[in-house]
Amino acid sequence: AQSVSQHNHHVILSEAASLELGCNYSYGGTVNLFWYVQYPGQHLQLLLKYFSGDPLVKGIKGFEAEFIKSKFSFNLRKPSVQWSDTAEYFCAVNARIFGNEKLTFGTGTRLTIIP
Amino acid sequence: ETGVTQSPTHLIKTRGQQVTLRCSSQSGHNTVSWYQQALGQGPQFIFQYYREEENGRGNFPPRFSGLQFPNYSSELNVNALELDDSALYLCASSLGVGGPNEQYFGPGTRLTVT
Repeated sequence: AQSVSQHNHHVILSEAASLELGCNYSYGGTVNLFWYVQYPGQHLQLLLKYFSGDPLVKGIKGFEAEFIKSKFSFNLRKPSVQWSDTAEYFCAVNARIFGNEKLTFGTGTRLTIIP
Repeated sequence: ETGVTQSPTHLIKTRGQQVTLRCSSQSGHNTVSWYQQALGQGPQFIFQYYREEENGRGNFPPRFSGLQFPNYSSELNVNALELDDSALYLCASSLGVGGPNEQYFGPGTRLTVT
């Protein structure tokens, strides 16, 4: 069974600080990896995804993530955060096998940016 | 292109009652997945429907059931509601199965069981 761990439950940063949110998954096979964001009062939105190829993927709003297969990690980064990045961030994985399309989510990281 | 829509937005039910939640998939998508998001938690997979057939189920009891219609919209039914069923129920649509597919989420239905 696949599982996802997000190490940071709540992160507080000042504007312009750099951000890195950790995500580790547990699954022995090939996976698709995602980061979703949930802004206050809004629905889950896809930030970025990794299916194959270059392990460094870029998403919307200046976010990027790096897939490190040997570490089973897919950490989210942003060099300079803004107040508008305040939101809940979820890492998710699905095993790349036919018939298993479910997304397994981590418990989320609440990010608070102080102006 | 219309996104995923869900109805109702909020719902209050009493323990033991039954509830039906509805979801319209994004235009062109034939696959719908349902998730339960308890407060402070990540979404948990309930089940998925592809072309009107169930295509995978998570660790939820049989009183959670679903349907998908020919237009790919979907319903989630929960019987014999329990207090722990209080959560945000999310619907996500995607195109097909067996490939690198993104799931697009709706705004959710907030269910409160008293």
